Amino acid sequence: DGGITQSPKYLFRKEGQNVTLSCEQNLNHDAMYWYRQDPGQGLRLIYYSQIVNDFQKGDIAEGYSVSREKKESFPLTVTSAQKNPTAFYLCASSSTGAREQYFGPGTRLTVT
Amino acid sequence: KNQVEQSPQSLIILEGKNCTLQCNYTVSPFSNLRWYKQDTGRGPVSLTIMTFSENTKSNGRYTATLDADTKQSSLHITASQLSDSASYICVVSWYSGGGADGLTFGKGTHLIIQP
Repeated sequence: DGGITQSPKYLFRKEGQNVTLSCEQNLNHDAMYWYRQDPGQGLRLIYYSQIVNDFQKGDIAEGYSVSREKKESFPLTVTSAQKNPTAFYLCASSSTGAREQYFGPGTRLTVT
Repeated sequence: KNQVEQSPQSLIILEGKNCTLQCNYTVSPFSNLRWYKQDTGRGPVSLTIMTFSENTKSNGRYTATLDADTKQSSLHITASQLSDSASYICVVSWYSGGGADGLTFGKGTHLIIQP
């Protein structure tokens, strides 16, 4: 898991509530990413950020929001607009120009 | 459309045996190919990264090959151990023209090692 932490490991929420997933890294990486993983599917990119105070939408950004106020932190908010939020969420980071991403341990979100 | 296809979808082998996992891709322009190991409920961990000019790369009992002409890669696991039970994900990186390469993930091969 390297120097990336995600909390909590398991999260339960009622439908209609917003929820924020935490991602912190101490690797001094400029870039950070959020992915969603569903059973039988490959990882899908939600948002990414290459520098503080800047971020870009990935392939499935609808219903999600992020912020990047500090280099070390990249929280993801799953809003009530996300139609199917139950999934395993992975955060990753990489240094600029590097080929490898380092992943956190993941947060499993269940919305009922 | 950039795609990464992995086979088989799942595989069960006996401890001590060898196995080979396949990855075919249609990604362009190609930057590099990575294999990750993901234990259940954990984040993926990198095994190997290969660029266009690299044909083979090893990491302990894991050996990855890349044929850039046929756009195929394989991950060979030698003398399997129970701890090898995991999902193995093939990821192909492509030049996006921006600051960060694009990534296309395969769905993974779920490997189970039986004692």
